[in-house]
Amino acid sequence: GESVGLHLPTLSVQEGDNSIINCAYSNSASDYFIWYKQESGKGPQFIIDIRSNMDKRQGQRVTVLLNKTVKHLSLQIAATQPGDSAVYFCAENRGRVGNEKLTFGTGTRLTIIP
Amino acid sequence: EAQVTQNPRYLITVTGKKLTVTCSQNMNHEYMSWYRQDPGLGLRQIYYSMNVEVTDKGDVPEGYKVSRKEKRNFPLILESPSPNQTSLYFCASSFPGGGYTFGSGTRLTVV
Repeated sequence: GESVGLHLPTLSVQEGDNSIINCAYSNSASDYFIWYKQESGKGPQFIIDIRSNMDKRQGQRVTVLLNKTVKHLSLQIAATQPGDSAVYFCAENRGRVGNEKLTFGTGTRLTIIP
Repeated sequence: EAQVTQNPRYLITVTGKKLTVTCSQNMNHEYMSWYRQDPGLGLRQIYYSMNVEVTDKGDVPEGYKVSRKEKRNFPLILESPSPNQTSLYFCASSFPGGGYTFGSGTRLTVV
């Protein structure tokens, strides 16, 4: 069946280095993707989104890349900080109208090593 | 402060005893949604609502009910809770075309 998935369940990065979290999706009709960050004991927090008519979008220290050819999404975090340690989820919209049906991957745990 | 508020944060109940988890948002969002989060399964959508009196099933709706009588509120109702509904529940809201803003979660244990 179709799914949103992640290549690696855990990732450890040295503080100050850049990190890349990957996500594969298989629904070619998905047109909207979001990355969320979830810290322990909290709800998911919106980081950055991208629509299918774009290949790249940048935020503050974060960049999302979308490769529709291979159905791949990645989140790049520059100059990682201890506060970046969290679980990161990619989500794709499977709604007919808007973003009402967001489907999430199982998450990648990012650990920043001081 | 713009937020999604869920209550209670923690709840322990017994099998079969009806319960309601409340959700309220102060951002005038049209869309609201309920998710459950389980280890290894990520976040799965239970129900969603695109506006007042408009609700639809998500991926795992069995055993749950919702209502959307007012724009700001979207309660989740478990008529007869069972142990397999033990989970961490999140309410979320958004404008059409935007990302969901999530509440802080409700940890439910059904014994």
